[in-house]
Amino acid sequence: DTGVSQDPRHKITKRGQNVTFRCDPISEHNRLYWYRQTLGQGPEFLTYFQNEAQLEKSRLLSDRFSAERPKGSFSTLEIQRTEQGDSAMYLCASSPNQLLREQYFGPGTRLTVT
Amino acid sequence: GNSVTQMEGPVTLSEEAFLTINCTYTATGYPSLFWYVQYPGEGLQLLLKATKADDKGSNKGFEATYRKETTSFHLEKGSVQVSDSAVYFCALSDKAGTALIFGKGTTLSVSS
Repeated sequence: DTGVSQDPRHKITKRGQNVTFRCDPISEHNRLYWYRQTLGQGPEFLTYFQNEAQLEKSRLLSDRFSAERPKGSFSTLEIQRTEQGDSAMYLCASSPNQLLREQYFGPGTRLTVT
Repeated sequence: GNSVTQMEGPVTLSEEAFLTINCTYTATGYPSLFWYVQYPGEGLQLLLKATKADDKGSNKGFEATYRKETTSFHLEKGSVQVSDSAVYFCALSDKAGTALIFGKGTTLSVSS
């Protein structure tokens, strides 16, 4: 199995710009999760998908954030009108099915908003 | 609500020393418990897991036992190596398919 991949690995953007990140889960994993991790903290849940359906969104996911998984394979996370507080590592994880609780993480996308 | 509390770091040890990283949790129901490790510049890797009380998870010389009576899942290793230097996260899942809840992480630094 190839692991979870994320692109880009690093993104520097100016405040107010829009950014989009991509996540490719492990093949045939039908659950996909997005988390955000800031320095010195554990990952915090943002949202998750089962196939193409977005099943849950955290209160952390403001209106400026949107996530999609259009064909039940890869997913994108878009942040509109970025703010300095959005600077963080954005992690994607996948899980094979709803019976297993462990998740497998990608390397993350580090966002810096200047 | 559900939560995970880990001992604060950093933990600094010499090679071959014994390691314990404490983790306690608060959860309703019967959570599954996990330890993840994050090496510098990399994503989180699943280190070990336990799905029910008294289960012992183990991998790469690390062990943790799910103690329901003390709501704990402490990570141990008998003899650490320099290559074990990383950040260790304790996590729980209270329902299959839902989000993991993580502790803040504990940084381990092992010197030769």
